[in-house]
Amino acid sequence: QVQLVQSGSELKKPGASVKVSCKASGYSFTNYAINWVRQAPGQGHEWMGWINTNTGNPAYAQGFTGRFVFSLDTSVSTAYLQIYSLKAEDTAMYYCARRRGSSGFFYMDVWGKGTTVTVSS
Amino acid sequence: QSVLTQPPSLSAAPGQKVTISCSGSSSNIGNSYVFWCQQLPGTAPKLLIYDNSKRPSGVPDRFSGSKSGTSATLDITGLQTEDEAAYYCGTWDSSLGAILFGGGTKLTVL
Repeated sequence: QVQLVQSGSELKKPGASVKVSCKASGYSFTNYAINWVRQAPGQGHEWMGWINTNTGNPAYAQGFTGRFVFSLDTSVSTAYLQIYSLKAEDTAMYYCARRRGSSGFFYMDVWGKGTTVTVSS
Repeated sequence: QSVLTQPPSLSAAPGQKVTISCSGSSSNIGNSYVFWCQQLPGTAPKLLIYDNSKRPSGVPDRFSGSKSGTSATLDITGLQTEDEAAYYCGTWDSSLGAILFGGGTKLTVL
């Protein structure tokens, strides 16, 4: 079946970096973009952006430029989220989700289970 | 503060109907489709409604969505205890060039 499997929880110190993976299965990986969504403790969801899995072009939402990098390894149907110079406020659950729809009419139909990133000294 | 406004919490008894609202503006809900997700405690979000009113395969027809102008609603009829969850609306905002989420509504089934 169609699923996105994310890597396990991470505990990092401030200033370090982290790389979260999202492995797709059950469909053609390069047919659908992958979104990244952040949910801080007790907060709602924030869209971080997406990566076009066909071209590799990323698009970052406001507030997620500079320290956040989306990448791919299409040979293993996997998308990655890398966060550099981690701060305490990056502590959150990070989800990947498959993008559906077309220009201006998007939604997310399959979600990974999430990866908890904790930043603490 | 989310751009899409939802009531923070609602409660209803089993068997009843509940309506969750999502209010936006002309640059988002008024100009795009709305989707709704359900998030059970400790789990990933699950798509319930897309394109304002369509249900993915496997979602019970107790869940229905609609949109009018710059607002959308999710109706849940015949409430069951397993419907106790957080519900989020989402849509594309053409001014921001971003997908937006509502703040979420925590539904308690008493």
